[in-house]
Amino acid sequence: AQSVTQLDSQVPVFEEAPVELRCNYSSSVSVYLFWYVQYPNQGLQLLLKYLSGSTLVKGINGFEAEFNKSQTSFHLRKPSVHISDTAEYFCAVSDPGTGTASKLTFGTGTRLQVTL
Amino acid sequence: DTEVTQTPKHLVMGMTNKKSLKCEQHMGHRAMYWYKQKAKKPPELMFVYSYEKLSINESVPSRFSPECPNSSLLNLHLHALQPEDSALYLCASSQGPGGYGYTFGSGTRLTVV
Repeated sequence: AQSVTQLDSQVPVFEEAPVELRCNYSSSVSVYLFWYVQYPNQGLQLLLKYLSGSTLVKGINGFEAEFNKSQTSFHLRKPSVHISDTAEYFCAVSDPGTGTASKLTFGTGTRLQVTL
Repeated sequence: DTEVTQTPKHLVMGMTNKKSLKCEQHMGHRAMYWYKQKAKKPPELMFVYSYEKLSINESVPSRFSPECPNSSLLNLHLHALQPEDSALYLCASSQGPGGYGYTFGSGTRLTVV
């Protein structure tokens, strides 16, 4: 079984400041890691994913994440946030899956609130 | 086409009504999913279809009935719902297992009165 923990339910930050959203996972098998963003009344959009290889992953909208196997973490960062980054951010883990399908397990989410 | 399209965007239904949610994708993905998301909560998996066959049912009540008529369409039939079933229902598809991730639709906001 796999699980994801997002340590912060809310992160307030001023515009143009850096931000880090924390995510820790646990799994008994190799997993794939994802960050999704959800704007109000919308579906989820993939920001970035880690499958293998380089532990620093770059995504859309200037976000990046670093995979740390020893600490079982996959924290999301952005060096300078914008008001439009205000949204809910979900960390997720996927098992290797069978056939064509796999189960995606989400963390509880972190609300990023950017203010002027 | 890189989208998952869900209709309707909003639905209000009474507890005795029968309604259906529709999901469509034309990306050639062979796995499709239904998720339920309550306010301020993460999405919860309901059903998984793989090659048009139901492969995972997360112990969802029988008042929710999924259907996959073909590789591009996924329906969720609703009957005799309860007010606590009010939520955002998200459809997703994936190209393959594990590392491909999902493409999500924008969801149907369901209110049961």
